[in-house]
Amino acid sequence: DIVMTQSPDSLAVSLGERATINCKSSQSVLYSSNNKNYLAWFQQKPGQPPKLLIYWASTRESGVPDRFTGSGSGTDFTLTISSLQAEDVAVYYCQQYYRSWTFGQGTKVEIK
Amino acid sequence: EVQLVESGGGLVQPGGSLRLSCAASGFTFSSFWMHWVRQVPGKRLVWVSRINGAGSSTTYADSVKGRFTISRDNTKNTLYLQMNSLRAEDTAVYYCARDRGGNSADTFDIWGQGTMVTVSS
Repeated sequence: DIVMTQSPDSLAVSLGERATINCKSSQSVLYSSNNKNYLAWFQQKPGQPPKLLIYWASTRESGVPDRFTGSGSGTDFTLTISSLQAEDVAVYYCQQYYRSWTFGQGTKVEIK
Repeated sequence: EVQLVESGGGLVQPGGSLRLSCAASGFTFSSFWMHWVRQVPGKRLVWVSRINGAGSSTTYADSVKGRFTISRDNTKNTLYLQMNSLRAEDTAVYYCARDRGGNSADTFDIWGQGTMVTVSS
């Protein structure tokens, strides 16, 4: 199995400040034939199902605010929230779909 | 509106069985792979199983292989998960999710609200 490891486990950011979440895969999720990274990011608020934010490592899902940006390639990826809003308080998960489907342990984002 | 609604969760004794259902609406159900994902509250999401659009191909996580069976009825727009020989470690919220790739593996763009399964004596 491809193991996904996120850092940090939690972070507290002031409103309007930048939040950065890292995700590392135990092996590359870059498929050479199409040059796509099989990496997604989800947001999960308490009592709700996960919501897809980013796929192909950097493509924003329809309706997702542009303050959410995904970057990285191969084994190292980042989700950046450029200006944290109160409604962004949630747990964020990365997921690889290169070989089966596995998720990171989650990063809890709170307001400082 | 695109929607997935799970049902069938509940309390079951170890060794027992349960069948979960996921009713889909708002999209052409038969055109999409579907998945089951579970989550112990406060823990990470864990993929359980997937089925292709026609229902002819299935895959399972090792932890449930031989005990769980995924199926679908495209005439009823419904996905199922038959869970047998349940164990305490199967206790979790179970979500159904749509694969955004249609006919190939991709990530999950639509999720149901989840149904809680508790395995306890």
